[in-house]
Amino acid sequence: EIVLTQSPGTLSLSPGERATLSCRASQSVSSSYLAWYQQKPGQAPRLLIYAASIRATGIPDRFSGSGSGTDFTLTISRLEPEDFAVYYCQQYDSSPEFTFGPGTKVDIK
Amino acid sequence: QVQLQESGPGLVKPSETLSLTCTVSGFSIGSGYYWGWIRQPPGKGLEWIGSLYHSGSTYYKASLSSRVTISLDTSKNHFSLMLSSLTAADTAVYFCARHRDYTFDYWGQGALVTVSS
Repeated sequence: EIVLTQSPGTLSLSPGERATLSCRASQSVSSSYLAWYQQKPGQAPRLLIYAASIRATGIPDRFSGSGSGTDFTLTISRLEPEDFAVYYCQQYDSSPEFTFGPGTKVDIK
Repeated sequence: QVQLQESGPGLVKPSETLSLTCTVSGFSIGSGYYWGWIRQPPGKGLEWIGSLYHSGSTYYKASLSSRVTISLDTSKNHFSLMLSSLTAADTAVYFCARHRDYTFDYWGQGALVTVSS
């Protein structure tokens, strides 16, 4: 099973600041199989990015994804008040299995 | 607009079997895509449980495979999860979701299931 590690665990920032979230895999992951989700309290996760860098339908362009191999990054260029949430990365491997990272909480400083 | 809605008991006893249903609207599940179940223990992260293809073929998380069955009922446009031999560790919010391109693009709102006597 591929294990995903996310850092930092919590990111305390102010609105308007840039957020950089990291997702590291225990083995190489195909970029096609790496996604990012946003989850707010009491809600289901929302797909933000798939195939490492493609924004899902309706996702603002302040969200961007990058990376390859074992290191992937989600960047929020300028935080809006609605962006304070928990962010998860997710990968698919050929076992086949899906795994999620433990999440990064972005909270208001 | 694709919508998914979980339904089932909120409280189940230890050692019993959980049965949840995900009713899909806005899309005929027999037409395509994979459909899956993901859970989230209170205050914790997400865990994929298993998925099935619209044809009925299934695949499960290896560590849960001996206890999980996912099935499809195209006549009712829903799919179901059965999880047996429950323990307190199975207490979680259970989400159903559609997946495409190896991601989960539409999710239900989630159903809290508590395992307790």
